[in-house]
Amino acid sequence: DAMVIQNPRYQVTQFGKPVTLSCSQTLNHNVMYWYQQKSSQAPKLLFHYYDKDFNNEADTPDNFQSRRPNTSFCFLDIRSPGLGDAAMYLCATSRDRPPSGGSIADTQYFGPGTRLTVL
Amino acid sequence: AQKVTQAQTEISVVEKEDVTLDCVYETRDTTYYLFWYKQPPSGELVFLIRRNSFDEQNEISGRYSWNFQKSTSSFNFTITASQVVDSAVYFCALIHNFGNEKLTFGTGTRLTIIP
Repeated sequence: DAMVIQNPRYQVTQFGKPVTLSCSQTLNHNVMYWYQQKSSQAPKLLFHYYDKDFNNEADTPDNFQSRRPNTSFCFLDIRSPGLGDAAMYLCATSRDRPPSGGSIADTQYFGPGTRLTVL
Repeated sequence: AQKVTQAQTEISVVEKEDVTLDCVYETRDTTYYLFWYKQPPSGELVFLIRRNSFDEQNEISGRYSWNFQKSTSSFNFTITASQVVDSAVYFCALIHNFGNEKLTFGTGTRLTIIP
């Protein structure tokens, strides 16, 4: 089945120790997103890739970086995790935007998430 | 600016009761899309429905139905004959057509179905 996969599902790291979260997809979607979701809150967009074009949200801390080596994979790097970075991290994908515009707001499909704990 | 309001923070109903989750949105765009997602305790956001602003037809899918009314800027979600498996947090979300693919989420409604 086509899907969005996130690894690991649970990640524990120490304060200040770099951590990388992984997302892969078999949907062949061109757009990939990373969201941060803290307890009892809505998901918050960190950044997204349209193909290799990186789009950072204005309020995403510099501590968060992302890489997309190919269509299928996208990584979230947290360079120096703080206690406030403990959260669920959700990866999502969506289809191409048609060249002529039109229905660009395609459905985003989410992975199961990685729950990050910072000790 | 876009905004999605889910005024109901938490709802509890007894199994088999019907329940409606409210969603009110604000946008200045004439073309936009509305979504509902379900987030069970496992954490994954599960897509339920997408609606574009030009399609006001109500939709029914099994026990789920959606009522879209542009006149009141609402996109409400009803679960008929609720089941314990419906217990989850439900998010309503909005995206406009010429944006940067950014979903604006409501704050979510936690639904608990009591056996």
